[in-house]
Amino acid sequence: SQQGEEDPQALSIQEGENATMNCSYKTSINNLQWYRQNSGRGLVHLILIRSNEREKHSGRLRVTLDTSKKSSSLLITASRAADTASYFCAAGGGADGLTFGKGTHLIIQP
Amino acid sequence: DTGVSQDPRHKITKRGQNVTFRCDPISEHNRLYWYRQTLGQGPEFLTYFQNEAQLEKSRLLSDRFSAERPKGSFSTLEIQRTEQGDSAMYLCASSLGPGGYTFGSGTRLTVV
Repeated sequence: SQQGEEDPQALSIQEGENATMNCSYKTSINNLQWYRQNSGRGLVHLILIRSNEREKHSGRLRVTLDTSKKSSSLLITASRAADTASYFCAAGGGADGLTFGKGTHLIIQP
Repeated sequence: DTGVSQDPRHKITKRGQNVTFRCDPISEHNRLYWYRQTLGQGPEFLTYFQNEAQLEKSRLLSDRFSAERPKGSFSTLEIQRTEQGDSAMYLCASSLGPGGYTFGSGTRLTVV
């Protein structure tokens, strides 16, 4: 079974707007990771936030983690057409390596 | 080293045939993972190696599936007596310790 659950399942915004995706997980974690996947390709690691961190930035990405609510969010600022992809959160720390959610499909409209 | 390589990129096979996929991880990465992904779903964990030792296997990995990582370098995933339900993208990833994974582009399997 998949531990992470992303919300929304699909998101369509205009280029230049900010995109926010949320993730909930079920068990204790050591870290929470976000990945991007373009259609038919492998996943690309975006950012990792450790369980003792609350917020992390990388370029136009901002990730928050609330371990009390077992949730995380990914914010992409000033979106671009190239950001169109599926985004997955993955909970790290279990015996089964990373456990991925079903993803949020993001479409950036020009 | 240009990342994680998977071969072949695509494989079409008849039901009942055996198939084998190969993954070449980043050379300094000691951990190697196999995942399976179907359309509209996130990757599902299959198995994990640390160096040459296979440390974890998912319940998804039936006895028709076997994975090896001889000498702790490349890995192979074999599916025997393929079924239509095996059709999926098979993803390999590697990491140095428990950090972020580097994924390959995957092998898309179609069982007809």
